[in-house]
Amino acid sequence: DQQVKQNSPSLSVQEGRISILNCDYTNSMFDYFLWYKKYPAEGPTFLISISSIKDKNEDGRFTVFLNKSAKHLSLHIVPSQPGDSAVYFCAASSRNDMRFGAGTRLTVKP
Amino acid sequence: DAGVIQSPRHEVTEMGQEVTLRCKPISGHDYLFWYRQTMMRGLELLIYFNNNVPIDDSGMPEDRFSAKMPNASFSTLKIQPSEPRDSAVYFCASTPGGADTEAFFGQGTRLTVV
Repeated sequence: DQQVKQNSPSLSVQEGRISILNCDYTNSMFDYFLWYKKYPAEGPTFLISISSIKDKNEDGRFTVFLNKSAKHLSLHIVPSQPGDSAVYFCAASSRNDMRFGAGTRLTVKP
Repeated sequence: DAGVIQSPRHEVTEMGQEVTLRCKPISGHDYLFWYRQTMMRGLELLIYFNNNVPIDDSGMPEDRFSAKMPNASFSTLKIQPSEPRDSAVYFCASTPGGADTEAFFGQGTRLTVV
């Protein structure tokens, strides 16, 4: 049973435009949410996170939005750059549990 | 610190053989996670440890899989006997405190069972 879902396996955007990656979760016990970025042949690396007490967290070109009532979060990248091309994993966690989605492959075209 | 270290990076083995994957977490991190990445399911949590004690192994697919953490600096994931459907990339990750903090991943072990 997938507790974290990323329903879009891939996304392609033009350089300079906005990339929006979506994630849904089912377990209301999750209270901390993270996005990881993964390049080929490397492990995932942490990108940005948000606590359940917030609805938005921004770090440079990256913003994560959380809608607790809908159990939905999204990652916005603006402007998108070719170097952002990677697989993005959404993660939802509580103190003793961390679950990942299946990932979304983002391709940013020059 | 060199980060989370996994070995080997690649493993090719024949069906029925025993496979052991190794992980050295970041020093001082008290949580260690084992994940398996597949195309269909993404990153699946297999098992995690807190202070060397297994906390949740409900993600371990079958009895063929076992994991140990004999001390704070070393963990193993063993598959015996291995099957072709076990082919995947296996990641180890550690966190400094709880699952609700940033996890640091190793580079993964790509396992191929033929």
